[in-house]
Amino acid sequence: DAKTTQPPSMDCAEGRAANLPCNHSTISGNEYVYWYRQIHSQGPQYIIHGLKNNETNEMASLIITEDRKSSTLILPHATLRDTAVYYCIVRVHNNAGNMLTFGGGTRLMVKP
Amino acid sequence: DTGVSQDPRHKITKRGQNVTFRCDPISEHNRLYWYRQTLGQGPEFLTYFQNEAQLEKSRLLSDRFSAERPKGSFSTLEIQRTEQGDSAMYLCASTPESSYNEQFFGPGTRLTVL
Repeated sequence: DAKTTQPPSMDCAEGRAANLPCNHSTISGNEYVYWYRQIHSQGPQYIIHGLKNNETNEMASLIITEDRKSSTLILPHATLRDTAVYYCIVRVHNNAGNMLTFGGGTRLMVKP
Repeated sequence: DTGVSQDPRHKITKRGQNVTFRCDPISEHNRLYWYRQTLGQGPEFLTYFQNEAQLEKSRLLSDRFSAERPKGSFSTLEIQRTEQGDSAMYLCASTPESSYNEQFFGPGTRLTVL
């Protein structure tokens, strides 16, 4: 799986949009971009994933650049409960193990 | 609650002792994963099962580690002769075989080896 690069930490004001970047310049054509987050003392939680089109669900939006070398996770109205470590992961879809390869992630602190 | 459960949530043991953790996946999820997470790091893959078959093991899984899933439902992870370096959070996740998308994680077992 391709490696990803994320800033180690970010702050965001409550109620504002949180934009979390991820670089994946060596991504292959068949690799998807996934985002998980981990709130303190909990297991990771799936947020969203995409291949090349932008995606949106009830939790977040995922914007993938046209060359697919980077992406941004957007939390449109961050709340204090969104304080967590956010992990960007790239992986293929196949019948192998599909285990997740986590990097260091971005620690997002949402402040009142 | 129909999520992934893990037991115990916390375990403190002395170096050299054996410990065993249990994971109960979401029912009908035939893939089960174990990960280990040390402080300040992201989780690292240890091993995974498809039903009762252990299909892959990471090089992180030394000979002191053994995992089982005897009936294709719950799984156990045993660490023999624990070392201080084994102190970590041990996470379990499950997913249906047909799904590439979301792995459902349990709350983890935090192991402290004194």
